[in-house]
Amino acid sequence: GENVEQHPSTLSVQEGDSAVIKCTYSDSASNYFPWYKQELGKRPQLIIDIRSNVGEKKDQRIAVTLNKTAKHFSLHITETQPEDSAVYFCAASGRTYKYIFGTGTRLKVLA
Amino acid sequence: DTAVSQTPKYLVTQMGNDKSIKCEQNLGHDTMYWYKQDSKKFLKIMFSYNNKELIINETVPNRFSPKSPDKAHLNLHINSLELGDSAVYFCASSQGSSGATQYFGPGTRLTVL
Repeated sequence: GENVEQHPSTLSVQEGDSAVIKCTYSDSASNYFPWYKQELGKRPQLIIDIRSNVGEKKDQRIAVTLNKTAKHFSLHITETQPEDSAVYFCAASGRTYKYIFGTGTRLKVLA
Repeated sequence: DTAVSQTPKYLVTQMGNDKSIKCEQNLGHDTMYWYKQDSKKFLKIMFSYNNKELIINETVPNRFSPKSPDKAHLNLHINSLELGDSAVYFCASSQGSSGATQYFGPGTRLTVL
């Protein structure tokens, strides 16, 4: 069945360092890959997304890369700040309306 | 200017009770969803409606019944609540077919005692 694996489950970085979160999906029909940030007690919020016809997308300190052949996509956050601390979810969507979410990565940025 | 709203925000109830959660979106989207987020933060799709028609119905106990009176509303009714139903329930909406961005509501924290 459809599956999205996300690693690592927790990640601690020093302020100013980079953070990378990786996801692997199983459904080759997947063509849309959003990333959500969820702060404690809040709703998931879209931070960046990428479609299958693009290999990389950047928005200020955040970038996402996609390798369709390997079915991998990754979130890169540079110059991390304490306010980047949150749970990050990847997701994959393809032939249906359904998103399959990864299991989440708890990112802690240490000041 | 709230795009996707849910009520109530918190719900504390006894086992065996029946309760409802309401969701409304003012984005003009044609698709709405219910997700369950458990204590480990896993986000699991439960249901989805497109233009008031059920299009996704995951393996969810039939004690859970969604209802979409119109495109802007999707409610979730839960019968005979059990301890394992305790979770945060998120509503979301999107426009269009696969590959559409989903926007989440603020969540309803359900606690079953």
